[in-house]
Amino acid sequence: QKEVEQDPGPLSVPEGAIVSLNCTYSNSAFQYFMWYRQYSRKGPELLMYTYSSGNKEDGRFTAQVDKSSKYISLFIRDSQPSDSATYLCAMMDTGRRALTFGSGTRLQVQP
Amino acid sequence: DGGITQSPKYLFRKEGQNVTLSCEQNLNHDAMYWYRQDPGQGLRLIYYSQIVNDFQKGDIAEGYSVSREKKESFPLTVTSAQKNPTAFYLCASGGNEKLFFGSGTQLSVL
Repeated sequence: QKEVEQDPGPLSVPEGAIVSLNCTYSNSAFQYFMWYRQYSRKGPELLMYTYSSGNKEDGRFTAQVDKSSKYISLFIRDSQPSDSATYLCAMMDTGRRALTFGSGTRLQVQP
Repeated sequence: DGGITQSPKYLFRKEGQNVTLSCEQNLNHDAMYWYRQDPGQGLRLIYYSQIVNDFQKGDIAEGYSVSREKKESFPLTVTSAQKNPTAFYLCASGGNEKLFFGSGTQLSVL
């Protein structure tokens, strides 16, 4: 079993929809949680960063972490065609200090 | 212009050949990382370095080697022992828990 599980999609939604992306994990030592966006054959770019449990909002993006359930989410409101990309969740524990990634969810927002 | 520079963008390896991928950063970050990405998969950690002259194996280090002689540079060598080297290689650096990535190198086997 992988340490981080993420539904690969693809997920196709109409423009303006609310998108929900999720990851589950098994390592209770993970303390830092991130979401990256990756366009095809480009380097991932950091979207959201959360420490421990809770919510964080940045514009149209909201990240949620539920450590008791080992479950994290990214919500995208008013989705745009430019949001079409692969979204990767990533986590870090304080010991190894390197990110462990999910497999990525491919999102397509239809105009 | 601050950032992480990976070169070359595309690289071809012949059978039995070692090749080296370059990664340079001017963000003054202590930590640097190498990840491998295969189609439809997430990123897997090859090697990482928290400080100059020190580095640790990641989850898939076999067939790879690194050096960290300067803070700004973390080159990755794909040796002939790596039997399936075709992949997209990503270098990252970070000053805390946040990692920032270069634009990647696509390595293919001739």
